[in-house]
Amino acid sequence: GQQLNQSPQSMFIQEGEDVSMNCTSSSIFNTWLWYKQDPGEGPVLLIALYKAGELTSNGRLTAQFGITRKDSFLNISASIPSDVGIYFCAGHTGNQFYFGTGTSLTVIP
Amino acid sequence: SQTIHQWPATLVQPVGSPLSLECTVEGTSNPNLYWYRQAAGRGLQLLFYSVGIGQISSEVPQNLSASRPQDRQFILSSKKLLLSDSGFYLCAWSRTAGELFFGEGSRLTVL
Repeated sequence: GQQLNQSPQSMFIQEGEDVSMNCTSSSIFNTWLWYKQDPGEGPVLLIALYKAGELTSNGRLTAQFGITRKDSFLNISASIPSDVGIYFCAGHTGNQFYFGTGTSLTVIP
Repeated sequence: SQTIHQWPATLVQPVGSPLSLECTVEGTSNPNLYWYRQAAGRGLQLLFYSVGIGQISSEVPQNLSASRPQDRQFILSSKKLLLSDSGFYLCAWSRTAGELFFGEGSRLTVL
């Protein structure tokens, strides 16, 4: 199936720094989703975006649905150690969900 | 509120043995249900999805099968496991708004 282009693949940042990651696709999606996955657990939904141009926040997390409906970004402000994990984007159309390859985030105290 | 559970969490099985992973969703009706496999390299591979009881769509031809005997129950099975079936299996459900919610995952090791 189709995979989304997610970047960067990994990030090593100092605690307190801001983080930005993004996903792009050649296809248009109706919904963009962002997940965080801890080792050995299922991905947890962080933010869902439903309309082109939509900007949504969840605490220190902010995500946007691109105007073209083919991209999305996720920002994390003032990172803390518990932000460590793998972040996935996903695009939804019809009954299908397509996933990015993940961004591994390491926060150095 | 809606919840999703899958079990067992961890499974170690010999090659050639059968497999049954179960998933149930609570607090919603007629959900779309999905089985994914996640390789060590992080990618999520869709195995099966279902839009209703007895309706199963297979995305990848393989050694596995899925069934949906009840509205909120989704089962992943195999008659004879292969070494290549090892991995992290995730059940998920979605609603029409386009959100997808995952279960806790099942780690399968085939020896």
